[in-house]
Amino acid sequence: AQSVTQLDSHVSVSEGTPVLLRCNYSSSYSPSLFWYVQHPNKGLQLLLKYTSAATLVKGINGFEAEFKKSETSFHLTKPSAHMSDAAEYFCVVSFTSGGSYIPTFGRGTSLIVHP
Amino acid sequence: NAGVTQTPKFQVLKTGQSMTLQCAQDMNHNSMYWYRQDPGMGLRLIYYSASEGTTDKGEVPNGYNVSRLNKREFSLRLESAAPSQTSVYFCASSDRTGMNTEAFFGQGTRLTVV
Repeated sequence: AQSVTQLDSHVSVSEGTPVLLRCNYSSSYSPSLFWYVQHPNKGLQLLLKYTSAATLVKGINGFEAEFKKSETSFHLTKPSAHMSDAAEYFCVVSFTSGGSYIPTFGRGTSLIVHP
Repeated sequence: NAGVTQTPKFQVLKTGQSMTLQCAQDMNHNSMYWYRQDPGMGLRLIYYSASEGTTDKGEVPNGYNVSRLNKREFSLRLESAAPSQTSVYFCASSDRTGMNTEAFFGQGTRLTVV
């Protein structure tokens, strides 16, 4: 069975400190992996995606994610948090069904950034 | 660049009323999706359409119907709204030909059923 698990519902950091948002997935084949961000009362914006070209993926706004097949993980990191990073973050895995790719969401991690 | 457009943005319904949420994309994508977002639950798939003329149930289809009107448009209908359907609804589209192709989302419809 395919699934995606975000290990923390909330992460709280101080501005200027590193960010780590954790995501694990379960898939019987090589997955398509994405991170999306949702700012309050806004739509969803793609942060980055894993394309199998490299295990370390760079995204927008200084975010990165590392694909670790042995750990079935795709954790999101940023070296230094900014107040504007406060938002909801979703790890997404696309599973195939009948020839179509179905984006399946984790439950989300709320990032809180303190001044 | 319109992308994915949803209407309306906000709606309040009384229990038992019906309504249709509209979604249109201008990216020539084959696949379209409807999700609902509830606090702590992420986005859950209601229905999807892999291509024009096909629709399939997702994780939470009960109480909803969909129509893929043409390649651009994918509507979601609530026949008899219930308070449990109070949620934020998102439409999305993607090009199904690439496994690493991301989905593009509309701005959402905030629906309240009283």
